[in-house]
Amino acid sequence: GAVVSQHPSWVICKSGTSVKIECRSLDFQATTMFWYRQFPKQSLMLMATSNEGSKATYEQGVEKDKFLINHASLTLSTLTVTSAHPEDSSFYICSASLGSHYGYTFGSGTRLTVV
Amino acid sequence: KNEVEQSPQNLTAQEGEFITINCSYSVGISALHWLQQHPGGGIVSLFMLSSGKKKHGRLIATINIQEKHSSLHITASHPRDSAVYICAVRGLIQGAQKLVFGQGTRLTINP
Repeated sequence: GAVVSQHPSWVICKSGTSVKIECRSLDFQATTMFWYRQFPKQSLMLMATSNEGSKATYEQGVEKDKFLINHASLTLSTLTVTSAHPEDSSFYICSASLGSHYGYTFGSGTRLTVV
Repeated sequence: KNEVEQSPQNLTAQEGEFITINCSYSVGISALHWLQQHPGGGIVSLFMLSSGKKKHGRLIATINIQEKHSSLHITASHPRDSAVYICAVRGLIQGAQKLVFGQGTRLTINP
């Protein structure tokens, strides 16, 4: 089946540094990727929709200059958390739409801890 | 009130019990998804429904479009079924791909 590979699975970084998270579609072309954030015991919160070759669409309240999304190819989308702060510590997960009749596939998630 | 409401929020049961998780939504939808999130965080898509009923192994999902309600059933539950189950809906707007998520149901199956 369709697989999205997400790396790293966990990362610890210092305040003020930037962290890049990658999501790759391994056996299909993902024209659209979704980036989510999840706080402990809460549901997924959509941060942005990433479209290949164009600017990402950010949800209200999500800082686009802080959470940089790049979707330069049909198989790779990246989320960069810039100038990370402890409050950015969270679980980040991506997903790709397989088309309106086929549902979605999710990456395995990245647990970010900013110290 | 959230657009997607799940109940119960937490459910603990003994191995072998029949499990039901409910999802109600207030918007028109093109499809409803049931997702499973394991303790490590990874998410697996279980079902995508637009009408009727689907079955996969011990899992059964049903949807009633008129009542805007869906249920996920697990028969002969097992400790490995312990996870968070999330209901998510996709809107009716053509081209819309965003999902709206319920808050999840944390299921614990004790041996």
